[in-house]
Amino acid sequence: GAVVSQHPSWVICKSGTSVKIECRSLDFQATTMFWYRQFPKQSLMLMATSNEGSKATYEQGVEKDKFLINHASLTLSTLTVTSAHPEDSSFYICSADKQRMNTEAFFGQGTRLTVV
Amino acid sequence: AQSVTQLGSHVSVSEGALVLLRCNYSSSVPPYLFWYVQYPNQGLQLLLKYTSAATLVKGINGFEAEFKKSETSFHLTKPSAHMSDAAEYFCAVTSSEAGTALIFGKGTTLSVSS
Repeated sequence: GAVVSQHPSWVICKSGTSVKIECRSLDFQATTMFWYRQFPKQSLMLMATSNEGSKATYEQGVEKDKFLINHASLTLSTLTVTSAHPEDSSFYICSADKQRMNTEAFFGQGTRLTVV
Repeated sequence: AQSVTQLGSHVSVSEGALVLLRCNYSSSVPPYLFWYVQYPNQGLQLLLKYTSAATLVKGINGFEAEFKKSETSFHLTKPSAHMSDAAEYFCAVTSSEAGTALIFGKGTTLSVSS
């Protein structure tokens, strides 16, 4: 199989603090990982594409200084929400490509972020 | 550019009835199409995918979808709904050029009544 694990599943933080979300491919190497954001009862919106060893590519309208993405290895990408505000509260989901099999993305279970 | 339109934000069926969730796509290049299911506060589970092979695609849990290029559609069907099928369903599109950076539709909530 192809398992992608996100941690934490739930996080509550105070306004102004930073939160780091991890996305790990457990049984395969992922050359590319993607970060999505989902507002309540809405669809998933691609935030950024993360490639191992290089800078992430952000979608239009996504603040790269607020949402820091690091893809330090072939099995780990992290999303750090910096100086979080209540409007950053959302469901964040990552997905990962298997090397040489880019016809299917494997999704993590998501992280529910609540900023109070 | 690619886009996906899911017709009907909410579909209600009775247990045992046919499930039909509609998805139309727009793509200037040959598309790859996917259907995902999402249960509350969980990630996405792939139901099925079309990647330019057979146009009728069978997936998990008895779901299937047919790619119709002339209609730019990829509707999801299941002959007989189960209570456990109640969830949010997303249609998504990408292309070989875009890899698996997916463009999602707005989703359809499926309710199943007994």
